[in-house]
Amino acid sequence: GAVVSQHPSWVICKSGTSVKIECRSLDFQATTMFWYRQFPKQSLMLMATSNEGSKATYEQGVEKDKFLINHASLTLSTLTVTSAHPEDSSFYICSARPLGLGNYNEQFFGPGTRLTVL
Amino acid sequence: DAKTTQPTSMDCAEGRAANLPCNHSTISGNEYVYWYRQIHSQGPQYIIHGLKNNETNEMASLIITEDRKSSTLILPHATLRDTAVYYCIVSSTSGGSYIPTFGRGTSLIVHP
Repeated sequence: GAVVSQHPSWVICKSGTSVKIECRSLDFQATTMFWYRQFPKQSLMLMATSNEGSKATYEQGVEKDKFLINHASLTLSTLTVTSAHPEDSSFYICSARPLGLGNYNEQFFGPGTRLTVL
Repeated sequence: DAKTTQPTSMDCAEGRAANLPCNHSTISGNEYVYWYRQIHSQGPQYIIHGLKNNETNEMASLIITEDRKSSTLILPHATLRDTAVYYCIVSSTSGGSYIPTFGRGTSLIVHP
């Protein structure tokens, strides 16, 4: 099956620093990738939709200047949490929609990245 | 907003069938029903999807009512590893793209 990886799997950082999370589709190309955030005991909340070669589309209430998304290739999207604060501590999950693979509605999720900001 | 409602939690004995219901009364004609599950601290895993016909794969079966207002995910022989949160999602669209919107899901606990 299609595999999506995320790196790092977990990260601990000091308040005020920036953290970059990578999302890669390992065995397929993805024109669209999605970034979600999940707080403890809550559901996944879509943050933004990332399209290769264009600017990301952010959901209402998500600060685009704080959560920088870059989708420079068909297999890689990055999310940078700038000037992270403790309230940004969360589980960040990406997903990727395959290009020309199976049902166009299918998405494959990464394993998630646990961010803890001290 | 999620377009589905699911019970908050369910439990099932190992080896028995787990039947997880989902209501999606406002589903429109071209929207699919998708099921994902999320094991603790992992990313969601795709299970199955369908439009109007019942579907079966190696993981589960999906039964969709004739009026498409509800569906049931069936895990025919639940194991302890099936303990997870199960999400029923109706495909929403944005500019023609499918973006899954997750509700609270059903926390399924499979016990020995």
